[in-house]
Amino acid sequence: DGGITQSPKYLFRKEGQNVTLSCEQNLNHDAMYWYRQDPGQGLRLIYYSQIVNDFQKGDIAEGYSVSREKKESFPLTVTSAQKNPTAFYLCASSPSTGTGANVLTFGAGSRLTVL
Amino acid sequence: GQNIDQPTEMTATEGAIVQINCTYQTSGFNGLFWYQQHAGEAPTFLSYNVLDGLEEKGRFSSFLSRSKGYSYLLLKELQMKDSASYLCAVSDSNYQLIWGAGTKLIIKP
Repeated sequence: DGGITQSPKYLFRKEGQNVTLSCEQNLNHDAMYWYRQDPGQGLRLIYYSQIVNDFQKGDIAEGYSVSREKKESFPLTVTSAQKNPTAFYLCASSPSTGTGANVLTFGAGSRLTVL
Repeated sequence: GQNIDQPTEMTATEGAIVQINCTYQTSGFNGLFWYQQHAGEAPTFLSYNVLDGLEEKGRFSSFLSRSKGYSYLLLKELQMKDSASYLCAVSDSNYQLIWGAGTKLIIKP
């Protein structure tokens, strides 16, 4: 079955450490996204990529980095520069054009806690 | 600025009907989307409206009025498994989704 796999599901980090969240999709979607979800707030876009080797900053990119070396993979690194990284992180993918571009398929999410 | 408003929480009874409202102000409009998210899980796509009117999908229907900046999601014959958060999102002029904070729906027996 096609879908998106995120790992790890739970992650604990000490302050000052970088961590990388994995996101892999086998849906043959061109576009991939990283969102952050905090209680009482809407999803906020961190980074997105519409094609391999290209990505754009979203609304809250500071303290995060991404790469898109393969169509299937879009890992997110949470750096020590991110001041409040404890959150639920969601990876998503979609076809790249038209209204279908907004019909997102999400991974199960990664919950990051900073100790 | 861009803004999506929906109620924080609603309670309904199993077997009943509930309407979840969403109002929006965005720079451009390319569709309004509804997603369902069970606690601790990923959102899943429910429906979308691009033109005014009602879209029906089984027990779920979604309505849009672009002139009023208003949509609602109607859930009929509520089941306990419908307990979840319902996220309203608008596609703006750049086809980027702007998300509401979600409405937590509690279903009571």
